Amino acid sequence: DAKTTQPTSMDCAEGRAANLPCNHSTISGNEYVYWYRQIHSQGPQYIIHGLKNNETNEMASLIITEDRKSSTLILPHATLRDTAVYYCIVDGSLNNAGNMLTFGGGTRLMVKP
Amino acid sequence: GAVVSQHPSRVICKSGTSVKIECRSLDFQATTMFWYRQFPKKSLMLMATSNEGSKATYEQGVEKDKFLINHASLTLSTLTVTSAHPEDSSFYICSARRLIPYNEQFFGPGTRLTVL
Repeated sequence: DAKTTQPTSMDCAEGRAANLPCNHSTISGNEYVYWYRQIHSQGPQYIIHGLKNNETNEMASLIITEDRKSSTLILPHATLRDTAVYYCIVDGSLNNAGNMLTFGGGTRLMVKP
Repeated sequence: GAVVSQHPSRVICKSGTSVKIECRSLDFQATTMFWYRQFPKKSLMLMATSNEGSKATYEQGVEKDKFLINHASLTLSTLTVTSAHPEDSSFYICSARRLIPYNEQFFGPGTRLTVL
């Protein structure tokens, strides 16, 4: 079972920030929050991950609440090419090489001109 | 990031034939690879975990005799769909786990299988 809850779909205007929420209320202390996205007919692409501190890279920012029960992925200036399904995954595999990532339903982000 | 390739990218075959899909980690060694299947508008579903030098571990409901997995080297895992049927038509995606410098999972571009 996926351990996360995400909205099924979201729209965002091109050039605006896209804020994608994720609930993971049963996350355990050693589990990381990962975000991947999948553009139509392609394999998933890694975006960012974090444990408890907020993280930022060239693609996005990840904001994790203090209780770690939810997080938000922020795409600061969404473009049409950011239209994709975004998956939020909690995973303890950094501590276990054999674990695989389990995908939930994800959020289908549509960036509109 | 590291690169994982899949071949072929798409394949069309007749019902009853077998199809082999290759997954390669191009710039790192992967003792563990994973095979996922994705139906239209659905999420990725794990089929099996492929371990180099040992038998694959299959998820519940996945027929190991139908979906043969061979992880013969640290950079190559193959998935063979035997006696394919139209209901096997799907998007098959592999991923490979890299342990050095730290534990990460990288995905291939996927293979679109259509069984006529």
